[in-house]
Amino acid sequence: EVQLLESGGGLVQPGGSLRLSCAASGFSISNNAMSWVRQAPGKGLEWVSGISGRGSGTFYADSVKGRFTISRDNSKNTLYVQMNSLRAEDTAVYYCAKRIALTDTGGYFDLWGRGTLVTVSS
Amino acid sequence: QSVLTQPPSVSGAPGQRVTISCTGSSSNIGVGYDVYWYQQLPGMVPKFLIHGNTNRPSGVPDRISGSKSGTSASLAITGLQAEDEADYYCQSYDTSLSAWVFGGGTKLTVL
Repeated sequence: EVQLLESGGGLVQPGGSLRLSCAASGFSISNNAMSWVRQAPGKGLEWVSGISGRGSGTFYADSVKGRFTISRDNSKNTLYVQMNSLRAEDTAVYYCAKRIALTDTGGYFDLWGRGTLVTVSS
Repeated sequence: QSVLTQPPSVSGAPGQRVTISCTGSSSNIGVGYDVYWYQQLPGMVPKFLIHGNTNRPSGVPDRISGSKSGTSASLAITGLQAEDEADYYCQSYDTSLSAWVFGGGTKLTVL
């Protein structure tokens, strides 16, 4: 079965760090564009970060640039996002998603994980 | 403030038709990027409904349709059913932001 499973969420203090993981099954992430999308409690969807399909291109929303780093381990078929200098406004459910696109721009998210909740609070 | 603007809510009675608009600009929809639509049922994960402005993946009923014109797009649902009650999001790509962007979401209530 094709699926994504996130882990690593939890409660962290402002200024702290957290690393989220997204284990893929049923397909290989090595040749697929992947992204992280978040949803704050009671709010809408916000794209956070992406990594290109075959290359090493990485992309970030302005709100997380310089604080978050996306990466993947093809041998483990797992996507990661390292989140540093966390703020209260980063509190959200973080979804891992596979992006369908022919290029490094555009496209849509056809497969989503169940999400993992990150709460930034003292 | 979302880059793509959607009405916060729409409603309709069972069997009726509703439309949800998505207004962008010349740096996203207007410059030619496709619009995509997602449905998020209460407490569930987003599920994509429409790709390439008008195309339905298998499993999405044909009473759901999408359209695009200029800097805007619309999602139409005919023959409303109770199971359609959900939040709906449009999505595109913005060249000014170099980012994938979502609308703020529209809550559909079936009366």
